[in-house]
Amino acid sequence: TQLLEQSPQFLSIQEGENLTVYCNSSSVFSSLQWYRQEPGEGPVLLVTVVTGGEVKKLKRLTFQFGDARKDSSLHITAAQPGDTGLYLCAGGPGNTPLVFGKGTRLSVIA
Amino acid sequence: DTGVSQDPRHKITKRGQNVTFRCDPISEHNRLYWYRQTLGQGPEFLTYFQNEAQLEKSRLLSDRFSAERPKGSFSTLEIQRTEQGDSAMYLCASSLEGLYSGNTIYFGEGSWLTVV
Repeated sequence: TQLLEQSPQFLSIQEGENLTVYCNSSSVFSSLQWYRQEPGEGPVLLVTVVTGGEVKKLKRLTFQFGDARKDSSLHITAAQPGDTGLYLCAGGPGNTPLVFGKGTRLSVIA
Repeated sequence: DTGVSQDPRHKITKRGQNVTFRCDPISEHNRLYWYRQTLGQGPEFLTYFQNEAQLEKSRLLSDRFSAERPKGSFSTLEIQRTEQGDSAMYLCASSLEGLYSGNTIYFGEGSWLTVV
C-alpha cells in the first residue's frame, strides 16, 4: 500500500511569512498533484508535476518534484490570509486511482 | 458551469435509511471516481469507472455501498442501511484517460452525509 506522508500536519503563520510543506513517500510516483481544499468544499487542483526534479511556479507558490519522484514540496512566499486552507498531495504509480496524504492545514493570520 | 457537479450537497438521514448521491462528471471525461473524506483525513478512494465499467473497488466499499454508471455519463453512489460511521463527505472526481495530464483528476464540491 502506498502511503503519502505530509508534514507538518498543522501550520499557523503570520501574513507575509514564507513557508514550506512537504509530501513524502517510499514509492515512486509517475506524477504528483497538489490540491487546496477549503472547509465544506471539494479539493481544487493547484498543479501536476510529472518529471523528477521538476519545478513549477504558480504566482507565489513554488512546487518541486524530487529527483527520484518520491517526494515533493510546496513553498509559499509572503503568505496571505487567502492562502488559508488544507493542502493535499496525491500521487499514483501509473494509470491508477490517486492516493492522498492527510494534508497540511495552513492558517495565515492577518 | 462545466465542472464536476454533485447532488445533493448536504444530506441528513436517520440510521438505517438508504441514501443516494449523484455525480455528473466533466462532459468529455471517461473516468469517474468516488472518494470519501472524514474530518482530519485526506480523501480515501472508494471506486472508479472507465466509461460504464467499474474497474476497481476499495476494501472500504462494504456490501452496503453500490455505485453505478449505467451509460458512462453520470454516476450514482447508494448507501443502504446507513450507519453513523458512514457520516463523511463523499467526493466525486473525473479525468480523461489517455490525455497526458499526469493522471490528474478534478473534483466536485462534495456531498456531505450526516447519519443521526
